[in-house]
Amino acid sequence: GDSVTQMEGPVTLSEEAFLTINCTYTATGYPSLFWYVQYPGEGLQLLLKATKADDKGSNKGFEATYRKETTSFHLEKGSVQVSDSAVYFCALGRPGGGADGLTFGKGTHLIIQP
Amino acid sequence: DGGITQSPKYLFRKEGQNVTLSCEQNLNHDAMYWYRQDPGQGLRLIYYSQIVNDFQKGDIAEGYSVSREKKESFPLTVTSAQKNPTAFYLCASTLQVFSGNTIYFGEGSWLTVV
Repeated sequence: GDSVTQMEGPVTLSEEAFLTINCTYTATGYPSLFWYVQYPGEGLQLLLKATKADDKGSNKGFEATYRKETTSFHLEKGSVQVSDSAVYFCALGRPGGGADGLTFGKGTHLIIQP
Repeated sequence: DGGITQSPKYLFRKEGQNVTLSCEQNLNHDAMYWYRQDPGQGLRLIYYSQIVNDFQKGDIAEGYSVSREKKESFPLTVTSAQKNPTAFYLCASTLQVFSGNTIYFGEGSWLTVV
């Protein structure tokens, strides 16, 4: 079945460092891919998404490119801030519509130190 | 403002009690979902509903029940049959069931067994 694998955390970086959070997926066809962010004690917010191969999603300085050949959707940011500390979830939506929502990775806890 | 409202934010349940978590959305979304979140395990789907008066079991439905009598409401009951209910519960919705559509989340409800 469909699955999403993320790098395990916590990931600890200093402010202004470069960030990469790896995400790979297993799915048939061409799923849509998402990154969600969860701040402490809150729900998930959509960070960015891509719906077809080679698309690049971007938002708030974060970027991720849908790579069909490597089945990946890695999240990157050039210079992180303390306010980026949160849990990041990679997710996929099944091709053709998945009535049962998205398939989520386990989340990566990011800690940015000043 | 449009959004998804979950209540209560914090709930305590005694052993053997049923409790109900409320989820209301004013986004005119068709599909609604309930997820459970445990530390280090990401999100797991409990129930989902595509239309009024219809709902389906997700991956961990045992010990839970739902109803969808109105488009905007999808309450979740945690029954006494759920042996380990302490968790963070997230309600979500999407306009239509389509893999590229974004799923929006509420702020979540914390349930603790005392």
